[in-house]
Amino acid sequence: DAGITQSPRYKITETGRQVTLMCHQTWSHSYMFWYRQDLGHGLRLIYYSAAADITDKGEVPDGYVVSRSKTENFPLTLESATRSQTSVYFCASRELDGQLFFGSGTQLSVL
Amino acid sequence: SQQGEEDPQALSIQEGENATMNCSYKTSINNLQWYRQNSGRGLVHLILIRSNEREKHSGRLRVTLDTSKKSSSLLITASRAADTASYFCATDAEGYSTLTFGKGTMLLVSP
Repeated sequence: DAGITQSPRYKITETGRQVTLMCHQTWSHSYMFWYRQDLGHGLRLIYYSAAADITDKGEVPDGYVVSRSKTENFPLTLESATRSQTSVYFCASRELDGQLFFGSGTQLSVL
Repeated sequence: SQQGEEDPQALSIQEGENATMNCSYKTSINNLQWYRQNSGRGLVHLILIRSNEREKHSGRLRVTLDTSKKSSSLLITASRAADTASYFCATDAEGYSTLTFGKGTMLLVSP
């Protein structure tokens, strides 16, 4: 099915551990994004990518790493998880000037 | 910040009533988009209005855009309990490839 898939849906980890959230889209959209959603802050952009091998920081990039070796995949890695990174993470994709298509989200808890 | 600001933060109405949500922003835009989020789910695109458009309709949704005031409104007519959700505006600013979201309006429609 066409769409954007995030995995895992839920993740519990401990502080200091490395965690990778996966995102896969089937539309071949050029742009892909990672947002985090927290109460009181709305959605904040972590990183985005305009094409394979092109990534750029968003509003809150510290503590996160991204890569985009293929157009369809855009994984987000927390190198050393902290409690402040407990959040719901959304991946999205689009073409320039178009609408965003969101994944279902990953609910991450860092203990 | 380019961030859009929704108003009100929360809105409670009865089924059959109209719901109006407002969004203000700070910079010149290519387009402005409205999204809906049901609890625990990803965001779903509702409507996109371009900077050269003043009004747009989609079913029971009506969006207006006033670029001179840097504001937009979303009207949901004849609300239903199923419209209960959070609604976000997102601005697609000129010269940028990212969308910036506001903190959202929580709409509760009671039967």
